[in-house]
Amino acid sequence: QQQVKQSPQSLIVQKGGIPIINCAYENTAFDYFPWYQQFPGKGPALLIAIRPDVSEKKEGRFTISFNKSAKQFSLHIMDSQPGDSATYFCAASMAGGYQKVTFGTGTKLQVIP
Amino acid sequence: GAVVSQHPSRVICKSGTSVKIECRSLDFQATTMFWYRQFPKQSLMLMATSNEGSKATYEQGVEKDKFLINHASLTLSTLTVTSAHPEDSSFYICSALKSLGGNTIYFGEGSWLTVV
Repeated sequence: QQQVKQSPQSLIVQKGGIPIINCAYENTAFDYFPWYQQFPGKGPALLIAIRPDVSEKKEGRFTISFNKSAKQFSLHIMDSQPGDSATYFCAASMAGGYQKVTFGTGTKLQVIP
Repeated sequence: GAVVSQHPSRVICKSGTSVKIECRSLDFQATTMFWYRQFPKQSLMLMATSNEGSKATYEQGVEKDKFLINHASLTLSTLTVTSAHPEDSSFYICSALKSLGGNTIYFGEGSWLTVV
């Protein structure tokens, strides 16, 4: 059972575009929603995270939008660059991030020059 | 920033042997660490939660006797794959929970295991 659903599976955008990755969850006990970036052969790196008491969070070119009632959240990458090409995972956990992280299925992003 | 180190980054072992992977939190103490497994082009699947000074909590379907986890100190957790088989070949990733300053989970760089 996939507790965190992620789409699309892959995404190709041109440099400067704004890729959007969407995630949905079922468990209302989740209260911490991080996004991770993973390059081939490397461990995932925390990009940005949000808690359900806010609807949007920005860090640099990365923005999370959160819709608590719909149980959905999304990642926007502004002014995307070829160096952003990676696999992105949304995730969710409980107890403010203290408990184990449940990952989405991943989105492979390719930013073409 | 916080760093989690895994060793070795790559290991090849013969079928039937055991191999140990270490996960260290380098600049913070981690009472809780997590071990994941990732097959090519797939997501990370949690194997177990490692708690310092106590037994690990394994996810459903993960064999405790095959994947031995020891969290002997606040900065070190080890995963030992016992009697390894080719199907155990995978990318193993650990993460550590930093509680100080807000709960944040940091991931290691991963360890590639190839069983031949």
